[in-house]
Amino acid sequence: GDSVTQMEGPVTLSEEAFLTINCTYTATGYPSLFWYVQYPGEGLQLLLKATKADDKGSNKGFEATYRKETTSFHLEKGSVQVSDSAVYFCALTNYGQNFVFGPGTRLSVLP
Amino acid sequence: GAGVSQSPRYKVAKRGQDVALRCDPISGHVSLFWYQQALGQGPEFLTYFQNEAQLDKSGLPSDRFFAERPEGSVSTLKIQRTQQEDSAVYLCASSLGRISNQPQHFGDGTRLSIL
Repeated sequence: GDSVTQMEGPVTLSEEAFLTINCTYTATGYPSLFWYVQYPGEGLQLLLKATKADDKGSNKGFEATYRKETTSFHLEKGSVQVSDSAVYFCALTNYGQNFVFGPGTRLSVLP
Repeated sequence: GAGVSQSPRYKVAKRGQDVALRCDPISGHVSLFWYQQALGQGPEFLTYFQNEAQLDKSGLPSDRFFAERPEGSVSTLKIQRTQQEDSAVYLCASSLGRISNQPQHFGDGTRLSIL
């Protein structure tokens, strides 16, 4: 079945550092890809998405590009802030199928 | 409210008790999903409704788990004869259309602890 793999956390960075969280997937067909963020005590919030190869999703300074050749959807941000500290989940869905989430990567940004 | 609302936020029950968890999706959202999130893990799919029809319940871990959405809006997830391994956060999500590649909007979850 479909699956999502993420880099293990926790990831600890200083404020203004560059962030990369790796995500790779295994899926048949042409899935849509998502990044969700979960702040402490809250539900998941959609951060960005891409629905076809070479699409770039972006939001709040975060970006991810759908790379079908490498089956990847890595999350990047040029300069992280303390307020970005959260757990980040990569996810996919195939048309007519359910969402499959990765295990999450915890990010801690230190002032 | 504008978002997905779940209640209660926290539920503590003794092993063997039955529990019911409620989800109020965003008004007008056709699709509704339930997930189970264990500590430190990503959400795991439980079941999916399109309006009042339960189209997929393949993720329900046992016949002790039951979900319904009788009028196509509010949904209830019921767990009978709870066991300690049922302890988790239960997340509800809704999306506007029938096509599942649309983003899902999540509630804050119900944290269930079985003693």
